[in-house]
Amino acid sequence: DTGVSQNPRHKITKRGQNVTFRCDPISEHNRLYWYRQTLGQGPEFLTYFQNEAQLEKSRLLSDRFSAERPKGSFSTLEIQRTEQGDSAMYLCASSLVGGTRSRQHFGDGTRLSIL
Amino acid sequence: AQRVTQPEKLLSVFKGAPVELKCNYSYSGSPELFWYVQYSRQRLQLLLRHISRESIKGFTADLNKGETSFHLKKPFAQEEDSAMYYCALNTGGGNKLTFGTGTQLKVEL
Repeated sequence: DTGVSQNPRHKITKRGQNVTFRCDPISEHNRLYWYRQTLGQGPEFLTYFQNEAQLEKSRLLSDRFSAERPKGSFSTLEIQRTEQGDSAMYLCASSLVGGTRSRQHFGDGTRLSIL
Repeated sequence: AQRVTQPEKLLSVFKGAPVELKCNYSYSGSPELFWYVQYSRQRLQLLLRHISRESIKGFTADLNKGETSFHLKKPFAQEEDSAMYYCALNTGGGNKLTFGTGTQLKVEL
């Protein structure tokens, strides 16, 4: 178990460009979450998947944001036409959901900087 | 709407002193609360959850529904406890978490 893996660790891009982040969850985990964390704040929920189905999206997730988990394994988060306000740490977490509530395991995050 | 409040951004204590990190929540449903910790250069990790009623690394937290609080306590702080601590609330469907803004604990020698 190598834990949740996120790539890249850092991404610097110019305003208006598109970016894509990848998250590889713990292999047997069926739930995958995306959070965003800005300076001085706690993580804020963006969206989550159960297997390949995206079950909920936060109002924080504008139409420039899209997330996929095509085979119920890894997930990608794409931001189109990036803006200064998108600069943040993007965190991925996964969990195994069975009969009882389960803990979430977090990755190291991808830090996005918009120039 | 659900909310988690951690009133202190920074808490500085001396080694061996008691520690209390405050957390208050607002939620209309049945709350499930967690404390997550992030040590320097490490990822966010679960410290403890209220339903387990456990003590991890000497820390305990009791859910007080009357005061809507879930304060984290440790009787004697250690240097290795220095970290950022986040209180989080499981807001039902999907088990998504609502986090507080975090408290940086600094244990001084």
